[in-house]
Amino acid sequence: ETGVTQSPTHLIKTRGQQVTLRCSSQSGHNTVSWYQQALGQGPQFIFQYYREEENGRGNFPPRFSGLQFPNYSSELNVNALELDDSALYLCASSFLDRTDTQYFGPGTRLTVL
Amino acid sequence: DAKTTQPNSMESNEEEPVHLPCNHSTISGTDYIHWYRQLPSQGPEYVIHGLTSNVNNRMASLAIAEDRKSSTLILHRATLRDAAVYYCILRDFKASTPLVFGKGTRLSVIA
Repeated sequence: ETGVTQSPTHLIKTRGQQVTLRCSSQSGHNTVSWYQQALGQGPQFIFQYYREEENGRGNFPPRFSGLQFPNYSSELNVNALELDDSALYLCASSFLDRTDTQYFGPGTRLTVL
Repeated sequence: DAKTTQPNSMESNEEEPVHLPCNHSTISGTDYIHWYRQLPSQGPEYVIHGLTSNVNNRMASLAIAEDRKSSTLILHRATLRDAAVYYCILRDFKASTPLVFGKGTRLSVIA
């Protein structure tokens, strides 16, 4: 059973650019969630996708968007990058049940200059 | 969102037990208590969860107070690999709610 993988590992962008981060869910999972973790802070929920539909969203602007594909892989897109978007972006997959244990990938470190 | 309170940091000697406390005085009857930990340079990983009764698994034990307003994560023999930030999180089992992370407790293990 393969775990959650994310790509790329690191990424450097400049302010105003757009970025796409990718996540491959753990086998058998139908839900993917994305989190942003600033340095020294706990992860903050961005949004969740269940069966290719957005199933909940945190306090993030619309320039953060996502997709989930039929094979349950997922993308996080961020437009018009700002310096404060520099963070570790974490993807977590789960099977939506009453406990919904989430399995996290290693994250993508995004630096915006 | 129900809130939890944890100490910022704790220290333990290797091979000794560690008790990580968490207060959650506003817990509701449908909230599960979840613990995750995040090792350096990694994503968080699930440790354990419980509702009312104490729970044990291969990683840790979870002791839940009778009034459910506090809980304790117990690592029976700390190893250097257990050095991490430990997060105590409440999740309502009636809804698909996201994990709401606080700052957690940073555990240092001394050899």
